[in-house]
Amino acid sequence: GESVGLHLPTLSVQEGDNSIINCAYSNSASDYFIWYKQESGKGPQFIIDIRSNMDKRQGQRVTVLLNKTVKHLSLQIAATQPGDSAVYFCAENPGSARQLTFGSGTQLTVLP
Amino acid sequence: DSGVTQTPKHLITATGQRVTLRCSPRSGDLSVYWYQQSLDQGLQFLIQYYNGEERAKGNILERFSAQQFPDLHSELNLSSLELGDSALYFCASSVSDRGALYFGPGTRLLVL
Repeated sequence: GESVGLHLPTLSVQEGDNSIINCAYSNSASDYFIWYKQESGKGPQFIIDIRSNMDKRQGQRVTVLLNKTVKHLSLQIAATQPGDSAVYFCAENPGSARQLTFGSGTQLTVLP
Repeated sequence: DSGVTQTPKHLITATGQRVTLRCSPRSGDLSVYWYQQSLDQGLQFLIQYYNGEERAKGNILERFSAQQFPDLHSELNLSSLELGDSALYFCASSVSDRGALYFGPGTRLLVL
């Protein structure tokens, strides 16, 4: 994919297992967080978001957990499928800024 | 499909030239954002427009400029192109000037 040159953290999981992708954010003022999935050659795709007044939010096969104490965000994907192979980015929106700041991403590879 | 469209999909040009990238936001979205994604820098915010007005500026070079038109489509102009400008350029849109961004498929620019 386009981010190969970044030497991204990688995560390999067996098909059918659960995946957990982690993200540390730096700005304690951030009040909104989003996970994006980017497949090779495509634009980032919105997966799930969470506001700082929540610590957990569930979607279809995905769950986002927010720990504001340690400024940590995680994305859990249940029953990982080959189509889940992609780079996953977390993004944060500090309260005073209007634009999202993206992390460097994690390359998820699903093994058959 | 996010509903955000970008043209062209690919662009090959020479150093010193000028190009224009075009973006149409999702129906109803007033905010347009431009991001650059290169191999060694990840997703970098360039500029944001909201309902025709510039809202925020990121690491956008002086050689680059953008605008948002009354019909809400946006154009990113890149001039005096250098080899290092080769990258993927993404447009994203959102309903307000905060919140989830929805990305287009990107324009891959190659400067030779």
